[in-house]
Amino acid sequence: GAGVSQSPSNKVTEKGKDVELRCDPISGHTALYWYRQSLGQGLEFLIYFQGNSAPDKSGLPSDRFSAERTGGSVSTLTIQRTQQEDSAVYLCASSLARRTNEKLFFGSGTQLSVL
Amino acid sequence: GNSVTQMEGPVTLSEEAFLTINCTYTATGYPSLFWYVQYPGEGLQLLLKATKADDKGSNKGFEATYRKETTSFHLEKGSVQVSDSAVYFCALSDNGGSQGNLIFGKGTKLSVKP
Repeated sequence: GAGVSQSPSNKVTEKGKDVELRCDPISGHTALYWYRQSLGQGLEFLIYFQGNSAPDKSGLPSDRFSAERTGGSVSTLTIQRTQQEDSAVYLCASSLARRTNEKLFFGSGTQLSVL
Repeated sequence: GNSVTQMEGPVTLSEEAFLTINCTYTATGYPSLFWYVQYPGEGLQLLLKATKADDKGSNKGFEATYRKETTSFHLEKGSVQVSDSAVYFCALSDNGGSQGNLIFGKGTKLSVKP
């Protein structure tokens, strides 16, 4: 596609429910990143994929968070047993390669609200 | 560890005013530095970058110079427009490090009034 696409754009859920957030990166981009943007905070790195593997999961805040990527394309971020502190905007980004100077292209994010 | 600190907002300016958004960093080695911008309702996009000391990144009238001696990458624009209203994020990447991710500051919201 023309850009990074994320769905849903907004998600309201009840505490304790599981949620899945989807990211469609730009076609051909091998690197994919998930970030979290909480109110008043910067962008917090969650996980990075190179192809289908995740060499860096250091940012996942707890074992309730997991992510996968299939076919070197679409990625799903899953949050189990959601808590109110999980409320944030979850951003996905992709880039052509893992090189650290590579420009990241961001999606518009998923606004998650946990009631 | 690596970190980025940028001035807290919000910053409110009149059209044609001079803009400075301060950004300082802490990093080992020689990071690359970035400014990303998030316009209302849109995703983050790269505004400019600099990959080594004394480099100047520029785009859309914005400039930032990589100052290793002061570990800074301040964003400047000589004359802001209403359309520059957005949230600006300073970021660094750890060149040669094991992580491929960018480390972002908390963002500075800029509002430009006509």
